[in-house]
Amino acid sequence: EDQVTQSPEALRLQEGESSSLNCSYTVSGLRGLFWYRQDPGKGPEFLFTLYSAGEEKEKERLKATLTKKESFLHITAPKPEDSATYLCAVQAKTETSGSRLTFGEGTQLTVNP
Amino acid sequence: DGGITQSPKYLFRKEGQNVTLSCEQNLNHDAMYWYRQDPGQGLRLIYYSQIVNDFQKGDIAEGYSVSREKKESFPLTVTSAQKNPTAFYLCASSIYPLAWNEQFFGPGTRLTVL
Repeated sequence: EDQVTQSPEALRLQEGESSSLNCSYTVSGLRGLFWYRQDPGKGPEFLFTLYSAGEEKEKERLKATLTKKESFLHITAPKPEDSATYLCAVQAKTETSGSRLTFGEGTQLTVNP
Repeated sequence: DGGITQSPKYLFRKEGQNVTLSCEQNLNHDAMYWYRQDPGQGLRLIYYSQIVNDFQKGDIAEGYSVSREKKESFPLTVTSAQKNPTAFYLCASSIYPLAWNEQFFGPGTRLTVL
C-alpha cells in the first residue's frame, strides 16, 4: 500500500526565516511526486512534479527536491503570503493504480510579518 | 478561461437525503477524480474515471455513486448510505493516458448534513 507522511504537521516562521518541509513516501515504483499549495476553503493549487531521485524544481521562493525515500520543499525568505497548507502526493507505476494519487495530510505553514 | 467548476459552493442536506455535486471541466482532460477532505486531513480518493463511460472505486467509495456520460462532466451523488458525509469535496482532472501529468483541482463544495 502506498503511503505518504508529511512533517511537521504545522510550522510557524518569521518573515525571512528559511525552512524546509518534509514528505516521506513508500510506493511500489514511483511514477511521480507532486506538491500542491492549498489556501483555506479552496482547492489545491499545483506547484511541482518530480519524477526521479536527484531532480530539483524551483518557483519563486520555493524549491522542491527528491530522493528515493523523501522529498523536501525548501522555502527561502518566506513572506506572509506563503502561508498555506502544503500537500504532497505520489503516483505509483503499478498497473492497477491507474492515474490515481495518494496524498499526505499536509503541513500547515504560517509566516508571521 | 479553461478550468474546473464545481457547484454549489455550499450544500446543506438533511439526513436520509441523496444530494448530487456537480463537476465540469473545459480542459479537454480525459481523467476526472473525486476526493473528500476532512478538517486537518489530506485528500482521500472516492472515485475516478479515466475515460467516458468507465469509472473505478477509490479508497472510500461506500455511500457514493458517480457517472461519466460526457467527457467534461463527472457528477458525484452522496447517498443516504454515507454515514458521515459532512466534508469538503474536491473534483480534479488530468490528461490521460499520460497518467503522470498533474491533477488540477476545482474550488470545492462544502457539504453539511443537518
